[in-house]
Amino acid sequence: QVQLQESGPGLVKPSETLSLMCTVSDYSVNNGYYWGWIRQPPGKGLEWVGHIFYSGTTFYNPSLRGRVTISADTSKNQFSLKVNSASDADTAVYFCVRGTVTTNPSFDSWGQGTLVTVSS
Amino acid sequence: QSVLTQPPSVSGAPGQTVIISCAGSSSNIGTHYYVHWYRQLPGTAPKPLIYGNTNRASGVPDRFSGSKSGTSASLAITGLQAEDEADYYCQSYDSSLTTVTFGGGTKLTVL
Repeated sequence: QVQLQESGPGLVKPSETLSLMCTVSDYSVNNGYYWGWIRQPPGKGLEWVGHIFYSGTTFYNPSLRGRVTISADTSKNQFSLKVNSASDADTAVYFCVRGTVTTNPSFDSWGQGTLVTVSS
Repeated sequence: QSVLTQPPSVSGAPGQTVIISCAGSSSNIGTHYYVHWYRQLPGTAPKPLIYGNTNRASGVPDRFSGSKSGTSASLAITGLQAEDEADYYCQSYDSSLTTVTFGGGTKLTVL
C-alpha cells in the first residue's frame, strides 16, 4: 500500500519561500497517478494547491497567483512544493496526496500532514 | 468562501440516517465532473469515502452512499454510529475558476 510522508521546516519567515518534500514508499511516482498538495489552515477547510504528473505536467490553483511550484524527482521517488513570498495566509497543515489522472482527481492516498507556520 | 456549499453541521442519534448536502452550480457539480467525498477525524488526514459520485472507497461500509442530481450532491449515512463523528468534505472541479474545489466541510455530531 502506497505511503506518503511530508518533510520540511515547520516555521517560515514572512516573504521567504516555503519548501516541503513528499517521499513516496511502496509505489513508483512514474507509475501513473497525479502527485500533489492540499492544505488546511488551522480550524478551516481544505484547499487544493496543485499536482504534477511524472512527465512534468503541472496544475496549480489559480488563487495562488503563480507563487507555487511543484516538481518531481523520479529517481528519488519524491515530489516537492515551493511557495514563494510566504505570508501568514500560507500557515496551514500541508498534506501530500496521490490522485487519479482526471481533470477532477480523486485523492486516494494522503500523507499524515505537516504544519507550516509563517511567522517572524 | 467555497463555490461548493455544505451545511456547517449536522447531527443525529445512533441508528438514525443523516444526509449531508453539497450545493454547487452549472460550472461544477452541474457539469460532467464527478463529486468525491472525504472524512476527516480530528487531528488526522482526510480519508477517501466516496469517489465518482457513488462509488465507495476501499473498506468503506455500505452504510455510506453518495448521489448527485443537477447541481447538487449528497452523502447519506445510515445506521449512524458514534465513530462516524467527523468532518466531511465534498470535492469537485469548477470549470469557470479552473480549479479543483472543496466544500467548506460539515461537522457530524452523533448525539
